[in-house]
This record gives sequence, C-alpha cells and structure tokens, in this order.
Amino acid sequence: GEDVEQSLFLSVREGDSSVINCTYTDSSSTYLYWYKQEPGAGLQLLTYIFSNMDMKQDQRLTVLLNKKDKHLSLRIADTQTGDSAIYFCAVAMDSNYQLIWGAGTKLIIKP
Amino acid sequence: GAVVSQHPSRVICKSGTSVKIECRSLDFQATTMFWYRQFPKQSLMLMATSNEGSKATYEQGVEKDKFLINHASLTLSTLTVTSAHPEDSSFYICSARGQGLGGYEQYFGPGTRLTVT
Repeated sequence: GEDVEQSLFLSVREGDSSVINCTYTDSSSTYLYWYKQEPGAGLQLLTYIFSNMDMKQDQRLTVLLNKKDKHLSLRIADTQTGDSAIYFCAVAMDSNYQLIWGAGTKLIIKP
Repeated sequence: GAVVSQHPSRVICKSGTSVKIECRSLDFQATTMFWYRQFPKQSLMLMATSNEGSKATYEQGVEKDKFLINHASLTLSTLTVTSAHPEDSSFYICSARGQGLGGYEQYFGPGTRLTVT
C-alpha cells in the first residue's frame, strides 16, 4: 500500500524559510495535503495540491510537487515563532479520498 | 466556514466504562466522517470511515464491537468506546468532508483526549 515519509524534525532560524519535505510511493495519489497541528490542538488544513499541478502558492506558503520523484514539499517563507507546530503530509487516491499520513515533521524555530 | 467540533475535549473514565465522543459539522453537511486515533508523537491512524445512514467501514485491526460508530445525520457522528481499558487511552480525532466542499477537502475536529484509569 501507499507509504508516506517525512523527516521528524526541522530546525530553522526565525525569519528564514522553512522547507518541509515529503515522499510518497503510490503514483496514483491524486490529492496531496499539508496539515498543521499545534501543541494540544487539532489539525488545520493548510493547503493542498492536485497531482496535475506542479506548484501552488498561498501567501507565505508554497507547495511544490515533483510527480516523477513522488516528492512533495512545503515552503514557509519568513518563518515566525507562530509557525512552530507539527506539519503532516497526507495523500489521497481519487477513489475514496481516504488520507494516508506521514509521521509529521516538527518545526522548531530558533530565535 | 467548514468547522468541525468535537465533544468532549477531554474525558477521564474508569476502566470498564463506556465513553461517547461526538463529532459535529457546524456549517456544512458531512456525507463522510472519519475517525482517527493519534498516539503520542505519532501520526494519525485511521480507525473507520462512516457515510451518513450506512454502517461504518473499519480499518483492519480495529474492533468494531469495541469502537461503535454511528453517523445518523449529516451533521453528527459518534464514536463510543465500549468497556474502555487503559490501552484505549489516546487522542481521538474526527474529520469530515461533505457537500459543497468539493469532496476532496477534509476538515478536522479539535480532538478528544481520552484517559482510562
């Protein structure tokens, strides 16, 4: 079945850009998502991209998709302390929209 | 828009008792709701998928008689943990997708922290 992998931690300085990476195994994944989970809180849908897109930008967030390498990334420009959270990559096939999740990347902001 | 609520946010119960968790879509009709379980510092594990008016589809390894799911209306799904034991202690999260959301967006509730003593 589908496998989604992410690095567990990323540490960046405040003001720098953060790039969180995700790889998946099933090339038929059609919808690819980024969710944010703050400590003790639920999941917030940040953004998503369709498999027929290469890039999507929304304010400070840029999602890049490399279908050939099955690689998804989330770039956060001008990282702020409020961006500290765990970021989950999730993918879904067309047929049932069930999400397959990565383990989450904890973003640590250094002052 | 697309708000999902869960109640209660936190519950502590004694071993052997049952606990019901509610998941509501507040501003849209949820044709499908998902129940997840999240262990500390781990990702989400899908437990079951429920479509309004139908029986829930459970993932492999999830006991349907222990985790009872009811999706009786387009805005409410409930998860009942029956005869809870300490190993059932976890963070339970529901999500919903539905009419008017394009079908491919899932919105999550804030989660319910269950502690079984």
